[in-house]
Amino acid sequence: SQQGEEDPQALSIQEGENATMNCSYKTSINNLQWYRQNSGRGLVHLILIRSNEREKHSGRLRVTLDTSKKSSSLLITASRAADTASYFCATASSGSARQLTFGSGTQLTVLP
Amino acid sequence: GAVVSQHPSWVICKSGTSVKIECRSLDFQATTMFWYRQFPKQSLMLMATSNEGSKATYEQGVEKDKFLINHASLTLSTLTVTSAHPEDSSFYICSARPWDRGLDTQYFGPGTRLTVL
Repeated sequence: SQQGEEDPQALSIQEGENATMNCSYKTSINNLQWYRQNSGRGLVHLILIRSNEREKHSGRLRVTLDTSKKSSSLLITASRAADTASYFCATASSGSARQLTFGSGTQLTVLP
Repeated sequence: GAVVSQHPSWVICKSGTSVKIECRSLDFQATTMFWYRQFPKQSLMLMATSNEGSKATYEQGVEKDKFLINHASLTLSTLTVTSAHPEDSSFYICSARPWDRGLDTQYFGPGTRLTVL
């Protein structure tokens, strides 16, 4: 079942602006991950944040996690046209299978 | 870096036929592989978890007799869509978990687009 809801569904910004995407989930998690998907392609892993972490950075990416609110946000700073893609959050269960449940995704368009 | 390939990248078939999709981990051994389905402009939905040498575990609502999964080796899993119908048209993505990288590492294949006429 799909656990995560993301908003906005679509986001259009100018190059150089920051983009923020939000993800909410329903059950307890071991970690939450963000992925990027270019149109019709596979997924690229961006960043993983564990349930005991609150914030993580990787280059122009900043991820926050609030387990009390069961929500996460992904901030992309100084966006580029090449950042245009769909972004998905995925929650990982605590079991040994550690399956991923994907959110509904945000389509980001960065205009040059 | 770790690479997962899928073959074919796209396939068109007639209704009622069967289609096999391969997922290979090219430079690592994967004890676990996952199969996802993605409809246009939608998210990925996990179909099944495949462990090498054992039967796949299917998610609720996924027909195991229709979507046959075989994980016969540590580098290959196959998904066979049997008696395909137009509603099976979708983007099928696999991922592979390396045996030695912990539970949180999965590498995704590029996907296979299936169109059933």
